Amino acid sequence: RKEVEQDPGPFNVPEGATVAFNCTYSNSASQSFFWYRQDCRKEPKLLMSVYSSGNEDGRFTAQLNRASQYISLLIRDSKLSDSATYLCVVGSGGSYIPTFGRGTSLIVHP
Amino acid sequence: DVKVTQSSRYLVKRTGEKVFLECVQDMDHENMFWYRQDPGLGLRLIYFSYDVKMKEKGDIPEGYSVSREKKERFSLILESASTNQTSMYLCASQWKVGRGRKEETQYFGPGTRLLVL
Repeated sequence: RKEVEQDPGPFNVPEGATVAFNCTYSNSASQSFFWYRQDCRKEPKLLMSVYSSGNEDGRFTAQLNRASQYISLLIRDSKLSDSATYLCVVGSGGSYIPTFGRGTSLIVHP
Repeated sequence: DVKVTQSSRYLVKRTGEKVFLECVQDMDHENMFWYRQDPGLGLRLIYFSYDVKMKEKGDIPEGYSVSREKKERFSLILESASTNQTSMYLCASQWKVGRGRKEETQYFGPGTRLLVL
């Protein structure tokens, strides 16, 4: 079983739609959680960290559910420029190495 | 801003050649990583280093070696390139976990697309 699992998609949504991605993780000792964004043929970049209380950054909201071991990313009012692959990343605190999910592809169309 | 640079964006090599990929970061990060990324497989860790001259194998180290002689520079070496090493190679750097920093963000270089013929 992969440690961090994501639905690969693609999620195909119209501009203005609200879309949500989930990511499940298997290591209950995990302590840090992130969403990265990767544009086509570019490197991953941090989108936002995910805190226990949840956090919001403009149109993006990230939440953590420790009991069920998943994190979510909600994008409101989707823009064409949101089209990208979204990578879920989990760190176990004591380890140097974060674990990446394989990513969820989002396509926002006019 | 953190800057991670990689020596080449695109590289074409022949089977059997020795290939060097270099990565340099300017933020005095302790940790550095080499990944490869292939369609459908996501990011796979090849090697990482948590200090100068220190290295540890990741998930897929076979056919690769690394060198970290200076803190800012982490090199990936393909001793004898093979066609199955055609891939996108990504370098990343990160603060040392446990320094009290809230985030364990990894900063990536732009990647090197390697084609082995």
